[in-house]
Amino acid sequence: ETGVTQTPRHLVMGMTNKKSLKCEQHLGHNAMYWYKQSAKKPLELMFVYSLEERVENNSVPSRFSPECPNSSHLFLHLHTLQPEDSALYLCASSQGFRQGTDTQYFGPGTRLTVL
Amino acid sequence: GQNIDQPTEMTATEGAIVQINCTYQTSGFNGLFWYQQHAGEAPTFLSYNVLDGLEEKGRFSSFLSRSKGYSYLLLKELQMKDSASYLCAVWGLTGGGNKLTFGTGTQLKVEL
Repeated sequence: ETGVTQTPRHLVMGMTNKKSLKCEQHLGHNAMYWYKQSAKKPLELMFVYSLEERVENNSVPSRFSPECPNSSHLFLHLHTLQPEDSALYLCASSQGFRQGTDTQYFGPGTRLTVL
Repeated sequence: GQNIDQPTEMTATEGAIVQINCTYQTSGFNGLFWYQQHAGEAPTFLSYNVLDGLEEKGRFSSFLSRSKGYSYLLLKELQMKDSASYLCAVWGLTGGGNKLTFGTGTQLKVEL
């Protein structure tokens, strides 16, 4: 149990659908992250939130929209996705985000399939 | 930017020792992490190195040489449950800010 939960674990959606991924951390951390993990590729950082403020956006298409209502919850809103967006979406949290010692703890991920 | 290289796949025998290497190029190095990820599960933290040398934690050890841009993860007394992907990740400067960048992972298969 890593203290980071994600729902749903699996999601299949059409290109015209709107869905949301949810992440919750129970570790009292101040920073939360969204990553994309595609087959044979490294984890790609999408967004970073620190104390509910977005501090990094790695040139992610606008069809992905993050939301951080408080330091324990993070959402990723999805709309008009493309088949190439099919991947494992991982949420992580850490105490801070500027120090190398800030170990990131991951949730189990949402396996997303876009038809 | 940052560049991280690690082997794609490795195979080892139960009870043996295996060493997974990771080389990196980065500016503003601020630490290196190893994570373990079983198929369909979350990456889990294994180790963190920021100073040169060996860090030992049970059956797992991690080594770092900052001057060579090199790290390895050593797994002893391999067990079948060690079959997983092992991710090397480096904190460094990229795009004007500190960031954790991951390698593609090394898929380790432990056989009888």
